Amino acid sequence: DTEVTQTPKHLVMGMTNKKSLKCEQHMGHRAMYWYKQKAKKPPELMFVYSYEKLSINESVPSRFSPECPNSSLLNLHLHALQPEDSALYLCASSQSLPEKLFFGSGTQLSVL
Amino acid sequence: GNSVTQMEGPVTLSEEAFLTINCTYTATGYPSLFWYVQYPGEGLQLLLKATKADDKGSNKGFEATYRKETTSFHLEKGSVQVSDSAVYFCALRAQTGANNLFFGTGTRLTVIP
Repeated sequence: DTEVTQTPKHLVMGMTNKKSLKCEQHMGHRAMYWYKQKAKKPPELMFVYSYEKLSINESVPSRFSPECPNSSLLNLHLHALQPEDSALYLCASSQSLPEKLFFGSGTQLSVL
Repeated sequence: GNSVTQMEGPVTLSEEAFLTINCTYTATGYPSLFWYVQYPGEGLQLLLKATKADDKGSNKGFEATYRKETTSFHLEKGSVQVSDSAVYFCALRAQTGANNLFFGTGTRLTVIP
């Protein structure tokens, strides 16, 4: 299994909603990542978990809250988002260093 | 700082044409360089990489050479196929801050029969 699975594929939410994005991999990777990609822009790193511990937080607003319950799962909890947070959210994993990242196909998020 | 600049797309080519997608970078030290490809409806996949100057990465007929003197990592393929239609991202990993990849904006390639 060389896949990173993200759910849901599409999400529409209001600014007062609470939702969660989920990511799962069964490749035994110990590093997992959240990226945000706006239209026609490059993916931007949000968070990195290494061995289930948060190792990088790229100054992301607190309305985004990551969670790594175990080595196979990565969640991104969303609360009180703004319309400018609408984007494609990509999850990725790697053995350790990001020499070879495996990406999921992303969750397309729209905040109304 | 670290950054990657890719040529603007979209690029449209006929099948069997020669492909070049330009990529230049700014980085301190000696970064590793990558090309990722995103096919429609899928996640990004590593296409090729080079970790030091003058290295050539190659895969599936694509090649890119790490040129430190011109800070470039241009992607080339001698004869494209319809199945190569995708978005191509150039990326670098800085020598420090090893857990982060810096991506270019992506170049959409469409190959027509």
